[in-house]
Amino acid sequence: EVQLLQSGAEMRKPGESLKISCQGSGYTQYSFTSYWIGWVRQRPGKGLEWMGIIYPGDSDIRYSPSFQGQVTMSADTSISTAYLQWNSLQVSDSGMYYCARRKGSGYFDTWGQGTLVTVSS
Amino acid sequence: DIQMTQSPSTLSASVGDRVTITCRASQSVSTYLAWYQQKPGKAPKVLIYDASNLATGVPSRFSGHGSGTEFTLTITSLQPDDFATYYCQRYSSYLSAFGPGTQVEIK
Repeated sequence: EVQLLQSGAEMRKPGESLKISCQGSGYTQYSFTSYWIGWVRQRPGKGLEWMGIIYPGDSDIRYSPSFQGQVTMSADTSISTAYLQWNSLQVSDSGMYYCARRKGSGYFDTWGQGTLVTVSS
Repeated sequence: DIQMTQSPSTLSASVGDRVTITCRASQSVSTYLAWYQQKPGKAPKVLIYDASNLATGVPSRFSGHGSGTEFTLTITSLQPDDFATYYCQRYSSYLSAFGPGTQVEIK
């Protein structure tokens, strides 16, 4: 069974950097490189926001226009892990961040448990 | 950019009710539409993909219909476990988006 395990909750101050992770298990190494991994933000009490997707096989990335330039997605296929990174966090970046495996036509069939990011001075 | 809307935003219903949620796209997304269920403090779970295909392990009381710009998610007999928030997602291109969500609450 494919599972996505995300890194733990983080607390940062505005202007600080952060990198969170999403490790796949139950894949063969080949399989991790064959599925896009997506990132989804959910601010407290709000809906789901599609941030973008990365294809670990060749690091092809498609960002939502709303998140282009605000975050960086990357992946390390040797450890079946995808990353989401900020260079300079803002209070408005606070929220729960989910990674998810993009299946076939484009829906997400497997989700991580979420990483809570809190940015506060 | 294709905009997604859902109606209603909140729905009050009783156990055993038939419930229908509508998702509309501002332009055609063919059948590239999924439905998710999310409970408080949990990750979303896919219910329906490609507009009408039931995801593995999802009870048959859930069904999806539609194509183009209008889609529905129907729960034929609402169960206590179904009180949650439901989101549609379009994925007609590499860039995707979710609808704003519909909260199904106990009447």
